[in-house]
Amino acid sequence: QVQLVQSGAEVKKPGASVKVSCKASGYTFNSYFIHWVRQAPGQGLEWMGIINPSGGGTTYAQKFQGRVAMTRDTSTSTVYMELSGLRSEDTAVYYCARPRISVSVTSSFDYWGQGTLVTVSS
Amino acid sequence: QSVLTQPPSASGTPGQRVTISCSGSRSNIGSNTVNWYQQLPGTAPKLLIYNNNQRPSGVPDRFSGSKSGTSASLAISGLQSEDEADYYCAAWDDSLNGRGVFGGGTKLTVL
Repeated sequence: QVQLVQSGAEVKKPGASVKVSCKASGYTFNSYFIHWVRQAPGQGLEWMGIINPSGGGTTYAQKFQGRVAMTRDTSTSTVYMELSGLRSEDTAVYYCARPRISVSVTSSFDYWGQGTLVTVSS
Repeated sequence: QSVLTQPPSASGTPGQRVTISCSGSRSNIGSNTVNWYQQLPGTAPKLLIYNNNQRPSGVPDRFSGSKSGTSASLAISGLQSEDEADYYCAAWDDSLNGRGVFGGGTKLTVL
């Protein structure tokens, strides 16, 4: 069965960077994009960007341009999301999500990781 | 400020039918399909409706979706206590080189 397993909770100081991992299993890793979505405490869902595991191509939300980097390691079927220049407003649960349809950016997010809480505090 | 607009709250009594609206624009709902997610407290979102009106396997037929122009809606009939959750609409937006967009979420309370 399809599974996305994320790394554990992180506590970071303002200005630091965080790298969250998302290990995929149960399907052909290269065939499906991975999206990253975050949710601040008590707030709604916010799309951050997308990575194509096949070639590594990425598209980021304008809000995060210059601060986010999404990468992948095909040997371990893992994608990573690194966010730099952390501030208190980046405190959130970060999710990776896989679409229903392979190589489709518009497809619904059918599978989600369990979420990773990133806390930014001095 | 979310790109898609949802009412912040909705409510109903058990057995009732409730609808949640989602308003967008030509570049998102007007051009692409709408998906709906249900989120229970402390859990990851779960896909409820995809491609405007399709239910994934396992989702009860009490849940239905529709789309017209630049708006969409989610209907829940035969409301049950376990339907109390946050609901989000989502779509792809063709502006700014393409991006995913969500509604702000609607908290459904079963009275």
